[in-house]
Order: sequence, then C-alpha cells, then structure tokens
Amino acid sequence: EVQLVESGGGLVQPGGSLRLSCAASGFPFSSYWMAWLRHAPGKGLEWVASIKQDGGEEFYVDSVKGRFTISRDNPKNSLYLQINSLRAEDTAVYYCARETHSTYPDWGQGALVTVSS
Amino acid sequence: EIVMTQSPATLSVSPGERATLSCRASQSVSSNLAWYQQKPGQAPRLLIYGASTRATGIPARFSASGSGTEFTLTISSLQSEDFAVYYCQQYKNWPPMYTFGQGTKLEIK
Repeated sequence: EVQLVESGGGLVQPGGSLRLSCAASGFPFSSYWMAWLRHAPGKGLEWVASIKQDGGEEFYVDSVKGRFTISRDNPKNSLYLQINSLRAEDTAVYYCARETHSTYPDWGQGALVTVSS
Repeated sequence: EIVMTQSPATLSVSPGERATLSCRASQSVSSNLAWYQQKPGQAPRLLIYGASTRATGIPARFSASGSGTEFTLTISSLQSEDFAVYYCQQYKNWPPMYTFGQGTKLEIK
C-alpha cells in the first residue's frame, strides 16, 4: 500500500522559512517523479513543484520560483520542500504526491502551513 | 498559462440521479485531462486520466469524455459518498505548468 506522510507544517511569520518533509513507502520511490501541490483556504488545488526520479530536473509554478526548492533523498525514500520568503498567500495545506504520467494517483494527508504575524 | 474553468460552481442533485460536470480549457489540452474528487478534510482522489480512463478502483458509474477544450464528468447514479468537490486538471504543458479548475461542489438536493 502506498503511503505518503507529510510533516513540518506550522505557523510562520511573513518572510519566514519552513521545510516540509514527506516520507514515502509502499512503492519504488526512486522510480517515480514526485510533486508538491497545495490547497489554499477557499481556493482550488494548485500544482507547486515536481522533481524527476534522480532529482536531475525540477519544475515550479511561477508564483514560487526562487522561493521554494523541491528535493529528494532516494535512499531515505523522502521528498522535501524548502519554503523561503513566505507570504500570506502561501497559506495552504501542502500535499506530497506520487506523479504518474503527470497525474496524481497517490497523495499524503497534507501539512498545514499558515503564514501570519 | 492554460486556464481551466469548471461549471457550474455548485450542482444540487438528488441521490440516484445523474450528475454532469463540465470543464473548459482556455486552449486545447488534447486528452491531457484528469478529474479528482475531494471530500472535506481529505486529500484529493484521482478518478479519471487521459480524459476518459477510470483510475484504479473507480466505480463504473463515473465516466468522462471530451478532448481539446471541452470535457465532461458524468456520475450516472449518485451515491451518498459521491457528494464532494470535483476538480479537473490539465497536464498538456511541457515543461510542466499543470493547472486545475476552481472546482464544482456537488451537493445533495
């Protein structure tokens, strides 16, 4: 059974930083693209970033480029999202997801990030 | 950026009836379209990919069609567990710039 478990969410002041982690199990982690998506309160889903199997390629939505960094540690079956220069509009539940042919069949339970002073 | 527009924003349907949800893309996405279901407090669930292929374990009452810019998700006989928010996602772009619609809330009439 595929399991994705996020951690690292919390309350952060504007301009602050946070690192989200996702522990993966139940599938060959190093064989899949992985992604972060988010769901802001009262809004729709948003794709945030994706990373290739070997970490050699990363892609981001324009609104987070230069502030967010996706990374992975294949021996540890872990995915990360480093979030810097946080803004109020980054407040959301952040989901780790397994990516297959650019769709998301498996998601974690989500980690809430709240940006507020 | 490809903008995805879903309609209606809210759909009220009685259990046992059929529900039809629409998704329109601002430019052609071919068949690179997925549908997700999300219930309160839960992660989204992939229902459909490739515009019309049901994901693993998805009941046959869920069907979808369309290509290019116009897409439809149909739930043939609504069960209580089907009342949720539904999102469409396009994945045509490369490099990736995947976008979702704003969602359709399917509620009990």
